[in-house]
Amino acid sequence: EAQVTQNPRYLITVTGKKLTVTCSQNMNHEYMSWYRQDPGLGLRQIYYSMNVEVTDKGDVPEGYKVSRKEKRNFPLILESPSPNQTSLYFCASRRGAGGRTGELFFGEGSRLTVL
Amino acid sequence: AQKVTQAQTEISVVEKEDVTLDCVYETRDTTYYLFWYKQPPSGELVFLIRRNSFDEQNEISGRYSWNFQKSTSSFNFTITASQVVDSAVYFCALSENSGGYQKVTFGTGTKLQVIP
Repeated sequence: EAQVTQNPRYLITVTGKKLTVTCSQNMNHEYMSWYRQDPGLGLRQIYYSMNVEVTDKGDVPEGYKVSRKEKRNFPLILESPSPNQTSLYFCASRRGAGGRTGELFFGEGSRLTVL
Repeated sequence: AQKVTQAQTEISVVEKEDVTLDCVYETRDTTYYLFWYKQPPSGELVFLIRRNSFDEQNEISGRYSWNFQKSTSSFNFTITASQVVDSAVYFCALSENSGGYQKVTFGTGTKLQVIP
């Protein structure tokens, strides 16, 4: 089954404790991206990757890091989480990065609370 | 300026009523794509439709229909004979060229509540 898998789905942590949210897709998609969803703000892009070892900042990258060492994986790293990073996070993937573009396939979301 | 505007924050309708969700977008590209996604209370994001900028034909899928009008930069979504299962947050999104890749920008969403 084609899917994007995120882990953990739910996490409560404390300020400053490094954490990683993993994302894996089994569709051989080139493009992957992270979004955060906050009330009244919709989905905002954090980082994206056009292919292995190619990543770039989205609209709200502060406080986040990513890496793309393998095509299927795109982890989101919070080196020193702060309460303003409490949010619902979505990983997404898509076939191709430019030109004719298909829809984004989303993971189920990871709800992160930073105390 | 917002690239995708969903002016309706929340809408409530009684079951079986028709409802239209508005989406207005802004882009300078001649080639772009528009999407609608549904987010039910369970939280996942479900793809509903993709439309490219060269195809202004309206589309109907069961009780769902989409009206794309380039002249007004709108891509509105109508649910006919709404049902409780339609209760969700609906997001409109625009994909346009940004520095060599197709960047997807989402609207802030419209929360639809269908009352039985």
